Amino acid sequence: GAGVSQSPSNKVTEKGKDVELRCDPISGHTALYWYRQRLGQGLEFLIYFQGNSAPDKSGLPSDRFSAERTGESVSTLTIQRTQQEDSAVYLCASSLGRVGNSPLHFGNGTRLTVT
Amino acid sequence: DQQVKQNSPSLSVQEGRISILNCDYTNSMFDYFLWYKKYPAEGPTFLISISSIKDKNEDGRFTVFLNKSAKHLSLHIVPSQPGDSAVYFCAASRVAGKLIFGQGTELSVKP
Repeated sequence: GAGVSQSPSNKVTEKGKDVELRCDPISGHTALYWYRQRLGQGLEFLIYFQGNSAPDKSGLPSDRFSAERTGESVSTLTIQRTQQEDSAVYLCASSLGRVGNSPLHFGNGTRLTVT
Repeated sequence: DQQVKQNSPSLSVQEGRISILNCDYTNSMFDYFLWYKKYPAEGPTFLISISSIKDKNEDGRFTVFLNKSAKHLSLHIVPSQPGDSAVYFCAASRVAGKLIFGQGTELSVKP
């Protein structure tokens, strides 16, 4: 596919369980971003990758959140010991170059519900 | 600290009229501004951007205006169409920085 792909599209988990969210960016896009949108809120920045490095992870809410990227391609966002406040849509985006030079292209998101 | 603000949560406009969506920012270091459109259950899609060296950028029915002295950005859609009904987000960044989004404005275009 030509766009950013995220899986799963929906995830329901029990409080305290770990979850892993996957993002496949557009081929050739060097930059990859994770955002979160809680109900009725705007998009909240979580972390940004340039290649496989994360120069800015300032948005990760706590040490329960981590992300990695391999092969300058796929990225996974892991949330450990999930809490109800983690419920949100998690959006991944990629871009050809650095922000400021090219727009971000978003996937459709993973809707996470923590019960 | 909300660096990018969209103070109107919703806007309703008649088909064929102009829609004006507004956005204010606080960080004078921002030098790249974008508008995104979002339909339910989909990711945001890029609409139009403007760099801080310009004050206007036009693409078809969409025009973005930037007033740096007022730290204000606006998106004009003319003429508005029912298919434009969606949530619109403005976003801003510094070069090589992260993109910071506003809270969104839900636009409803009535036939």
